[in-house]
Amino acid sequence: GNSVTQMEGPVTLSEEAFLTINCTYTATGYPSLFWYVQYPGEGLQLLLKATKADDKGSNKGFEATYRKETTSFHLEKGSVQVSDSAVYFCALRAPYALNFGKGTSLLVTP
Amino acid sequence: SAVISQKPSRDICQRGTSLTIQCQVDSQVTMMFWYRQQPGQSLTLIATANQGSEATYESGFVIDKFPISRPNLTFSTLTVSNMSPEDSSIYLCSVDTNGADTQYFGPGTRLTVL
Repeated sequence: GNSVTQMEGPVTLSEEAFLTINCTYTATGYPSLFWYVQYPGEGLQLLLKATKADDKGSNKGFEATYRKETTSFHLEKGSVQVSDSAVYFCALRAPYALNFGKGTSLLVTP
Repeated sequence: SAVISQKPSRDICQRGTSLTIQCQVDSQVTMMFWYRQQPGQSLTLIATANQGSEATYESGFVIDKFPISRPNLTFSTLTVSNMSPEDSSIYLCSVDTNGADTQYFGPGTRLTVL
């Protein structure tokens, strides 16, 4: 079946540090891949997506590249801010509903 | 994108009672989904609700416990029946933006069962 595995948190970084959150998936076919973010006390927001191999999704300085050969969709940001503190969920869509990873909590300290 | 509202935003309920959660979308959508997010956990799909047909439930979820209505293309309800403390979760609805391959989520309903 379809599944998503993402790195366990919590992740604590200093402001301006480089962020990587690993995400790998198992799926039949070629699903669309997503990163969602949940800020404290708020709902789930779409951060970025990629729909086919080698696509790069980007938003708010975050990037992730759909790597079919490694079945990965790692989230990166070159310089994190305190306001990036949130829980990040990797997800795949196949065919209609979303399968989510367990989420990675990120805390950015000044 | 789509603007999605849910009511109530939160509730505290007694064991054995039922709660109906409403989800309203600002545009017509074919597919709506209901998810559960237990405390500190990820999201788990409860069911898919298409207008004009019965909801399709995921393994571990049954209609008697989580009946769903989908009377039109902009509205759905999820009822959590005969609640127990284990039902304490955030319940979220999401919609499939037609043809855009992206799901957008409502703000969620935070349910606490005592």
